[in-house]
Amino acid sequence: DAGITQSPRHKVTETGTPVTLRCHQTENHRYMYWYRQDPGHGLRLIHYSYGVKDTDKGEVSDGYSVSRSKTEDFLLTLESATSSQTSVYFCAISLAGANTDTQYFGPGTRLTVL
Amino acid sequence: AQSVTQLGSHVSVSEGALVLLRCNYSSSVPPYLFWYVQYPNQGLQLLLKYTSAATLVKGINGFEAEFKKSETSFHLTKPSAHMSDAAEYFCAVSNQNQGGKLIFGQGTELSVKP
Repeated sequence: DAGITQSPRHKVTETGTPVTLRCHQTENHRYMYWYRQDPGHGLRLIHYSYGVKDTDKGEVSDGYSVSRSKTEDFLLTLESATSSQTSVYFCAISLAGANTDTQYFGPGTRLTVL
Repeated sequence: AQSVTQLGSHVSVSEGALVLLRCNYSSSVPPYLFWYVQYPNQGLQLLLKYTSAATLVKGINGFEAEFKKSETSFHLTKPSAHMSDAAEYFCAVSNQNQGGKLIFGQGTELSVKP
């Protein structure tokens, strides 16, 4: 298994509060991704990073921000959580971001916003 | 823009029967295609991928998929289903020249009846 951990694994929070999810890898892969998984939508890309301090938006980036200060850590922040952000969040990594690269996924974080 | 459509959100087969999960893609350039599997409460793991080397791709756990350009399809098959194959399956296409970002289909949940 790829060395990817996510924390917390479960979180319940209230509308309007800030939330930060952490992804940590031990593989020294350059690219890291945040997806959200919702029934009927598969996985959708929120943000991704192609190196330390280098990030870009994905398909559903509104309401989310990210930071990557070290190769191994990629943080996803919900500045002010809303009920529509209730979802399962997955982090993924890939070695070089090539189109043929396999992405390796973490175990996920289940977030509930009340 | 690239997109992926998985026909059938739920598929049920009997143990020992053929598994066929359908995936069609839309892409203006030759695509790279992936099948991932997600077991309950876990992250996604790669089953197989098409990277233009061969149109028939063999993956783990006895699964295979055939790339058919004329039909814009990449259907996943397994000759004989096993109870342990019960999971959710996702087809994905790689976004050309954009950091290996994946566009996922909505997923197909496979149930295997004894």
